[in-house]
Amino acid sequence: DVVMTQSPLSLPVTLGQPASISCRSSQSLVNSDGSTNLNWFQQRPGQSPRRLIYKVSNRDSGVPDRFSGSGSGTDFTLKISRVEAEDVGVYYCVQSTQWPPVTFGGGTKVEIK
Amino acid sequence: EVQLVESGGGLVQPGGSLRLSCAASGFSFSTYSMNWVRQPPGKGLEWVSFISSSSGTKHYADSVKGRFTISRDNAKNSLYLQMNSLRDEDTAVYYCATAFSVPESAWGLGTLVTVSS
Repeated sequence: DVVMTQSPLSLPVTLGQPASISCRSSQSLVNSDGSTNLNWFQQRPGQSPRRLIYKVSNRDSGVPDRFSGSGSGTDFTLKISRVEAEDVGVYYCVQSTQWPPVTFGGGTKVEIK
Repeated sequence: EVQLVESGGGLVQPGGSLRLSCAASGFSFSTYSMNWVRQPPGKGLEWVSFISSSSGTKHYADSVKGRFTISRDNAKNSLYLQMNSLRDEDTAVYYCATAFSVPESAWGLGTLVTVSS
């Protein structure tokens, strides 16, 4: 199974400052067609997960452009250019290239300093 | 508006059974592959099961293989998860969700399953 490792586990951020979350996979996530099924989800306190980014860098409809995804192969990053109060929550990366099983990272908790 | 609404959760004794349902609306359900994902209290997300749009392909996490069965009824815009031989470690909020890497993503609010004597 592909192991997804996120860092850091906890990320205290000052409002208006940037934030970056790393996600590393134990195997390459590149499909035979060249695409990469690496996605990012946000889970605000008390809410269901919501997808922010699909296939590494495609922002979902309605997601603010301060969120961006990048990376390739086994190394991926979610960046928030300027953290706002509504960004508090837990962020998960998930891969569906080498599956089954689909595997999630352990989560990164973003909080305001 | 795309919407997924889970139901069927509750308290069940170890070894018991439950059937979860997920009602879909606002999108062409019959053309979407679907998943069940669970989240134990205070913990992270765990993929449980997948079913293709036509039900021709099904996959399960090793932790539930042989005990859970995924199914769907495209005429009723509904997804199901039959859970048998439930264990304490199956206690979680269960979410239905569309396939992870397609352009349209949707998750339900979840339904809580508690396995306890």
